[in-house]
Amino acid sequence: AQTVTQSQPEMSVQEAETVTLSCTYDTSESNYYLFWYKQPPSRQMILVIRQEAYKQQNATENRFSVNFQKAAKSFSLKISDSQLGDTAMYFCAFMKNNNNDMRFGAGTRLTVKP
Amino acid sequence: EADIYQTPRYLVIGTGKKITLECSQTMGHDKMYWYQQDPGMELHLIHYSYGVNSTEKGDLSSESTVSRIRTEHFPLTLESARPSHTSQYLCASSQGTDSYEQYFGPGTRLTVT
Repeated sequence: AQTVTQSQPEMSVQEAETVTLSCTYDTSESNYYLFWYKQPPSRQMILVIRQEAYKQQNATENRFSVNFQKAAKSFSLKISDSQLGDTAMYFCAFMKNNNNDMRFGAGTRLTVKP
Repeated sequence: EADIYQTPRYLVIGTGKKITLECSQTMGHDKMYWYQQDPGMELHLIHYSYGVNSTEKGDLSSESTVSRIRTEHFPLTLESARPSHTSQYLCASSQGTDSYEQYFGPGTRLTVT
């Protein structure tokens, strides 16, 4: 079974600074998808960024980028120029190729301080 | 925000009551999911559906049941609520192709007294 580990229950960062959230996963699969989801307080969970395991290039979405290390089974999220609106729970998730069974980590609560 | 809706948003009920949590999506997605999430914790899949008349149990054992009579509607029912059912319930849907992204509803926070 696949497991997803987020070792940082809580983090904080100053506004405009950069922060990196860690995620590791365990799988024997070679093809899979990795996701970072954001859950703001009392708001809907939304997708931040997605990475296909077969792609070597790290995904980027504006201020959000990932460091995907397939051999190390690591998938960290970097948030640049942090904004107050980035305050949220961040969940790392794993999904096998062609399978909609998504496994989530326990989450990291990020607080951006003014 | 995604076109997926859940009602009610908050519900406080007594032990033994029957309840139905509603979930609807207007994106025409075939695949829908129910997750249970305790405060500040990870999500656990309790039910999923790959289409009309298709329902499966997820990894986390749950006393709830689901139905999928229409593509857009995926209600979850608890026949007899207990305090152990107190949690947040998140509904999600996906097209199941290309990106495999799941779109989430706002959640129902259930408290059973």
